[in-house]
Amino acid sequence: DADVTQTPRNRITKTGKRIMLECSQTKGHDRMYWYRQDPGLGLRLIYYSFDVKDINKGEISDGYSVSRQAQAKFSLSLESAIPNQTALYFCATSDSRQGTYEQYFGPGTRLTVT
Amino acid sequence: AQSVTQLGSHVSVSEGALVLLRCNYSSSVPPYLFWYVQYPNQGLQLLLKYTSAATLVKGINGFEAEFKKSETSFHLTKPSAHMSDAAEYFCAVSGNTGTASKLTFGTGTRLQVTL
Repeated sequence: DADVTQTPRNRITKTGKRIMLECSQTKGHDRMYWYRQDPGLGLRLIYYSFDVKDINKGEISDGYSVSRQAQAKFSLSLESAIPNQTALYFCATSDSRQGTYEQYFGPGTRLTVT
Repeated sequence: AQSVTQLGSHVSVSEGALVLLRCNYSSSVPPYLFWYVQYPNQGLQLLLKYTSAATLVKGINGFEAEFKKSETSFHLTKPSAHMSDAAEYFCAVSGNTGTASKLTFGTGTRLQVTL
């Protein structure tokens, strides 16, 4: 079983719709992250959470919101989707006890906004 | 603040040839450095990491990278490319204090392996 799962894996939606992407992990990690990947731009951080009560904006948080429902669950919402939010979205986790900061990634959600 | 520059968005090598993917970093504190690989339609998988121990780091699938502080580089190498190495590779940097677990990624290098 995958340690970091994302649902849905693919989603097509229309401009203006509200969309939620979900991430769950069984790794027992305390830290979780949401990134978007665009061709030629690498991965850019949207939001990150160091524990359930600690949520922080990343470099491109406008138009997005998040919820950390439990240590194992971190959801990303697009309140009113727009076409330039079409991208590949990744959730990642890390363990603050490791002290070396590597992150572990889910398989991604491909989102298309028409 | 940290930053990463990956030179070459596309690299093509013949099967059996040396693979060299370049990464230069900028960091205000001693960095932790990572290489990740992304195969088609998959997430990112950790290849190797530098965390201030040995400067030559060995990873999975025969890859290794050398941390050179004087050159602010962390280039990824593999002596002999295999067709299965075709993928996109990302270099990432993290500071090692405070909110250090935030990673900054490079823009990626797509490796093509030809017969």
